[in-house]
Amino acid sequence: DAGVTQSPTHLIKTRGQQVTLRCSPISGHKSVSWYQQVLGQGPQFIFQYYEKEERGRGNFPDRFSARQFPNYSSELNVNALLLGDSALYLCASSLEAGNTEAFFGQGTRLTVV
Amino acid sequence: KQEVTQIPAALSVPEGENLVLNCSFTDSAIYNLQWFRQDPGKGLTSLLLIQSSQREQTSGRLNASLDKSSGRSTLYIAASQPGDSATYLCAVPSPSYGKLTFGQGTILTVHP
Repeated sequence: DAGVTQSPTHLIKTRGQQVTLRCSPISGHKSVSWYQQVLGQGPQFIFQYYEKEERGRGNFPDRFSARQFPNYSSELNVNALLLGDSALYLCASSLEAGNTEAFFGQGTRLTVV
Repeated sequence: KQEVTQIPAALSVPEGENLVLNCSFTDSAIYNLQWFRQDPGKGLTSLLLIQSSQREQTSGRLNASLDKSSGRSTLYIAASQPGDSATYLCAVPSPSYGKLTFGQGTILTVHP
């Protein structure tokens, strides 16, 4: 079985642009969460989606949005990019919304110049 | 608000040593705790998940313990190898949904 897949693996964008990151969860997993990890820190929670509904949102500005599709894949959108948005964006997949093991993808490295 | 702390921030050991990584959390109302490994620039690999009803969980040379009452978990690595070099992260879920709160990680270097 394939693990969690994220695309693209690397991305370079200019300040002010918009970006869309994609995630496909493990087959059978209904929950997808997004995290931002800047260098030297632990991942910070951005969103969780379960059964196509938002279940949780972290302390991120409204420039960040996400959605989950009927096949449980997910997209993370970031508008009006800032230099500080440069980070590794991680997607996590789990069977249910809470208290089950989380499995992460390889991440998308976003660089904003 | 849950806070997770990992000590030490970095650790360098010779090959073959047994070592302990520490993780503490402020809110003991957790359902489980998960340990991850992260290689530079890569995603997270799940190592062990300990349910709140368990005290220990083992996988190969790894052993994780959990003491909810004191808000602590340890990851024990036996007979360390250079391939164990990575950042190790612990994380706990929020009570209401799957948000994970991570520690800052311990950077482990095992030299030959």
